[in-house]
Amino acid sequence: ETGVTQSPTHLIKTRGQQVTLRCSSQSGHNTVSWYQQALGQGPQFIFQYYREEENGRGNFPPRFSGLQFPNYSSELNVNALELDDSALYLCASSLEDSGNEQFFGPGTRLTVL
Amino acid sequence: RKEVEQDPGPFNVPEGATVAFNCTYSNSASQSFFWYRQDCRKEPKLLMSVYSSGNEDGRFTAQLNRASQYISLLIRDSKLSDSATYLCVVTGNNDMRFGAGTRLTVKP
Repeated sequence: ETGVTQSPTHLIKTRGQQVTLRCSSQSGHNTVSWYQQALGQGPQFIFQYYREEENGRGNFPPRFSGLQFPNYSSELNVNALELDDSALYLCASSLEDSGNEQFFGPGTRLTVL
Repeated sequence: RKEVEQDPGPFNVPEGATVAFNCTYSNSASQSFFWYRQDCRKEPKLLMSVYSSGNEDGRFTAQLNRASQYISLLIRDSKLSDSATYLCVVTGNNDMRFGAGTRLTVKP
């Protein structure tokens, strides 16, 4: 086990709703990255947080937002959910920056109906 | 063009076979390179880092060619437990870009 935890494990929402996903990083890691993985695809980078600041962002619209807390845990918020947001959302923690190994949590599977 | 491209496979090989996966990336400024392994319905896990000098870890050998922007993974003497999806990963500018993955099934 990596020590990275995510909650909830599964979630069902309807179009237009908002969702918050949570991640606790591995002890000692100050960087958290979020990914969206659709079925049959590789993870797509959403954004990265380093010491409570957004430190890089992929090609996702502003309705995907995040936070990192002083204890380095993190939240991913998605507003105005769309059907295509249905995916596995993965959180990964690392030390300092993306050049280092990232340790993934088990993911949250989101279904949007 | 995708930033990281992999042959999606699937690769179906017998136990003991040697199999090679290829990956190309588009951003010449990419800094670090990895292969991750993902089992069905599980999270990705680091298999190995990839260096220009090449690196080997038991039955696994990874190579990086920066000039051609090409990464490879060679698995020798395949085991049933090697069945998984192998993800090529390229980093730079505080992000990590994954390929879509190559599915490997090793059969008895």
